[in-house]
Amino acid sequence: DIQMTQSPSSLSASIGDTVTITCRASQYINIYVAWYQHKPGQVPKPLIYAASTLQSGVPSRFSGSASGPDFTLTISNLQPEDVATYYCQKCNSYPLTFGGGTKVEIK
Amino acid sequence: QVQVVQSGSELKKPGASVRVSCKASGYTFTSYAINWVRQAPGQGLEWMGWINTNTGNPTYAQGFTGRFVFSLDTSVNTAYLQINSLQTEDTALYYCARGKLDLDYWGQGTLVAVSS
Repeated sequence: DIQMTQSPSSLSASIGDTVTITCRASQYINIYVAWYQHKPGQVPKPLIYAASTLQSGVPSRFSGSASGPDFTLTISNLQPEDVATYYCQKCNSYPLTFGGGTKVEIK
Repeated sequence: QVQVVQSGSELKKPGASVRVSCKASGYTFTSYAINWVRQAPGQGLEWMGWINTNTGNPTYAQGFTGRFVFSLDTSVNTAYLQINSLQTEDTALYYCARGKLDLDYWGQGTLVAVSS
């Protein structure tokens, strides 16, 4: 099965910073990656699908990109409400493997 | 509007079985698969598998074969997750989520706690 290696596992940044989270696929998966935001006690929220398409209602400070096997979630102008764990997921075919998650905290 | 509503928390003893329901509304139930996702305490999201809502055919991820059973009742737009022979390691939050591949609507999660 295709593995999704996500890094870093955690990060701490200041309000207003730009943070970058990366997932690397172990095999070719085209652009089929989704990103989710998961806050404690809440339901995972879809952010991005097809590597770079924002789900409806997601703030434009979130963006996604793809380059070969590497997929990136960028949060610009980090806000307090962005504190969460972020997950990538391969979506080209089953199984829909998640990355290990990145916990984002505010310094 | 699309809604996915799961059944409430469960406390079970080891060896028992549990069934979690996932009721969908606001769309044509058979147009989207239902996926199941587990989050064990302190761990990340783990995809358990999916069920084809047209055929009822389930597919299980590695590690979720044998004791885990996905099923449907399309007459009430509901999917079910049954876990048999519960073990303490099954204690987790279980989510169902609609999706053809990316998961766009999630249930609120069902906590299954297994303790003697």
